[in-house]
Amino acid sequence: GAVVSQHPSRVICKSGTSVKIECRSLDFQATTMFWYRQFPKQSLMLMATSNEGSKATYEQGVEKDKFLINHASLTLSTLTVTSAHPEDSSFYICSARAELAGSDTQYFGPGTRLTVL
Amino acid sequence: AQSVAQPEDQVNVAEGNPLTVKCTYSVSGNPYLFWYVQYPNRGLQFLLKYITGDNLVKGSYGFEAEFNKSQTSFHLKKPSALVSDSALYFCAVRVGYNFNKFYFGSGTKLNVKP
Repeated sequence: GAVVSQHPSRVICKSGTSVKIECRSLDFQATTMFWYRQFPKQSLMLMATSNEGSKATYEQGVEKDKFLINHASLTLSTLTVTSAHPEDSSFYICSARAELAGSDTQYFGPGTRLTVL
Repeated sequence: AQSVAQPEDQVNVAEGNPLTVKCTYSVSGNPYLFWYVQYPNRGLQFLLKYITGDNLVKGSYGFEAEFNKSQTSFHLKKPSALVSDSALYFCAVRVGYNFNKFYFGSGTKLNVKP
């Protein structure tokens, strides 16, 4: 099946620094990727839709200048948390839309645990 | 507005017994419905989906779900639970242009006891 990877799996950073998280589709091309945020014991909240070659579409309430998204190729999207603060600590999950064998579905990465000190 | 509700935060069941995890939805238009499972500190794994056709959908690991349009429900079921089924389960509906966006329920923690 389709595989999506994320790097790093865990990151700890100091307040005020920036952190980049990568999302890759390993065996398929994804024109569309999605970034979610999950707080402890809560559901996933869609942050933005990342489109290859164009600007990301952000959900209401998500600061686009704080959460920079770049979809550089058909297999890579990056999320950069700029000037991170402790309240940005969360589990970030990406997904990639795959159109394989006539089936259109999304595959999720394993997530990245961000801790801001 | 599109929404998905999972009324139970937690479901407890004994190994070997049948299990049901409930999900109801509210969407405009025809829903695309999904179930995902999440293990601790891991991403989501796809279980099954309903797009159209037969209301009973069979998925991975012996799970199935029944789409009920009149009750706007999509409950997840398994005839005989395993301890290894213990995890967090999310119901989701896909909406939006090109049906790209997912909206997730709040999740239900399934505990299967030996």
